[in-house]
Amino acid sequence: SQQGEEDPQALSIQEGENATMNCSYKTSINNLQWYRQNSGRGLVHLILIRSNEREKHSGRLRVTLDTSKKSSSLLITASRAADTASYFCLWGAQKLVFGQGTRLTINP
Amino acid sequence: GAGVSQSPSNKVTEKGKDVELRCDPISGHTALYWYRQSLGQGLEFLIYFQGNSAPDKSGLPSDRFSAERTGGSVSTLTIQRTQQEDSAVYLCASSLGPGDTQYFGPGTRLTVL
Repeated sequence: SQQGEEDPQALSIQEGENATMNCSYKTSINNLQWYRQNSGRGLVHLILIRSNEREKHSGRLRVTLDTSKKSSSLLITASRAADTASYFCLWGAQKLVFGQGTRLTINP
Repeated sequence: GAGVSQSPSNKVTEKGKDVELRCDPISGHTALYWYRQSLGQGLEFLIYFQGNSAPDKSGLPSDRFSAERTGGSVSTLTIQRTQQEDSAVYLCASSLGPGDTQYFGPGTRLTVL
């Protein structure tokens, strides 16, 4: 299967703590994207990092990319209850593949 | 501006019936994707349209599944002779071009009884 892996599959932390999720991919990429999904319906785009970038920030989000290890991480700082959702990475070049996702729960 | 829309939002059908799911992408987006997500699972790629090129159908799970995109805009995903394992949320996304940010519709929840 070409599908990569995300870990952990589930993460539960206290509000205010930082959450880190990892994505491993299998082929070359043009870019890697992170999405959030609430309540099992539509996905919301969070951030896109290009293959020639190593780190990118957007608000409380920080994404890193290590093309030598074919991995990316998403860090959410100062987590809030509203961050509770599933997070997916999307990667590829000609063909795009979603990771299996990390289910994040923020406990108040 | 208007986002990606999908209809119907929910569809309940009987096993063996055919269903059509519709996706209206963002105007001007050349790329359109269909995904399927079973309960509690990740997203499964189904099919990808890019401009006037032949679609990438490599993700379609069986020949009961087909999709078309008319005039480079609206797309219809058709499932013939539905089975219970087809029950899932079917998500459509569009992007300006290949590899660009994908914007997702709200999905169609299909339940096959």
